[in-house]
Amino acid sequence: AQSVTQLGSHVSVSEGALVLLRCNYSSSVPPYLFWYVQYPNQGLQLLLKYTSAATLVKGINGFEAEFKKSETSFHLTKPSAHMSDAAEYFCAVSVSSASKIIFGSGTRLSIRP
Amino acid sequence: EPEVTQTPSHQVTQMGQEVILRCVPISNHLYFYWYRQILGQKVEFLVSFYNNEISEKSEIFDDQFSVERPDGSNFTLKIRSTKLEDSAMYFCASSEGINTEAFFGQGTRLTVV
Repeated sequence: AQSVTQLGSHVSVSEGALVLLRCNYSSSVPPYLFWYVQYPNQGLQLLLKYTSAATLVKGINGFEAEFKKSETSFHLTKPSAHMSDAAEYFCAVSVSSASKIIFGSGTRLSIRP
Repeated sequence: EPEVTQTPSHQVTQMGQEVILRCVPISNHLYFYWYRQILGQKVEFLVSFYNNEISEKSEIFDDQFSVERPDGSNFTLKIRSTKLEDSAMYFCASSEGINTEAFFGQGTRLTVV
């Protein structure tokens, strides 16, 4: 069965610093991978998705993620954090045989002024 | 821009009562989902629905839960006899197909007292 593991339930960075949120996946077949963001008291918004076309995926709000099959990773990065990036971030996976997306446990990103 | 809409935004119900949560998926989408998020915890898959039948369901989705697409636009989640532990945010989502991104509604906060 497919799953994702997010390392670090809480990450805190200074405004302007690099953001790195880690996600490792487990899947016996080629996965489809997603990053979603959840702002307080809101729903889930898609940041970016990997669907095997390109290993480096660019998303909204300056975020990007790189699919590394050898490391089974799909880490999310942003070169320079902004205060508005403070939110909960979820990595998610699906596979072609399943009609569901499975979410990781989430990483809360805090930005220090 | 098309969006998934959920009603109500907040529902308070007494333990043992039936509740129906409503969702209007994006009109050209074929797959529909319900997820739940207990406060401060991960987003959990409940059920997926395609072609007027359940495609997949999790172990959470027991006999107390049911889903229905009563007409061409609505997608509902019914909990027959609510328990305290059913208190959570319930998210509806829809997607064009398998392995495409799911678009989420803003959620219904269910409080069972």
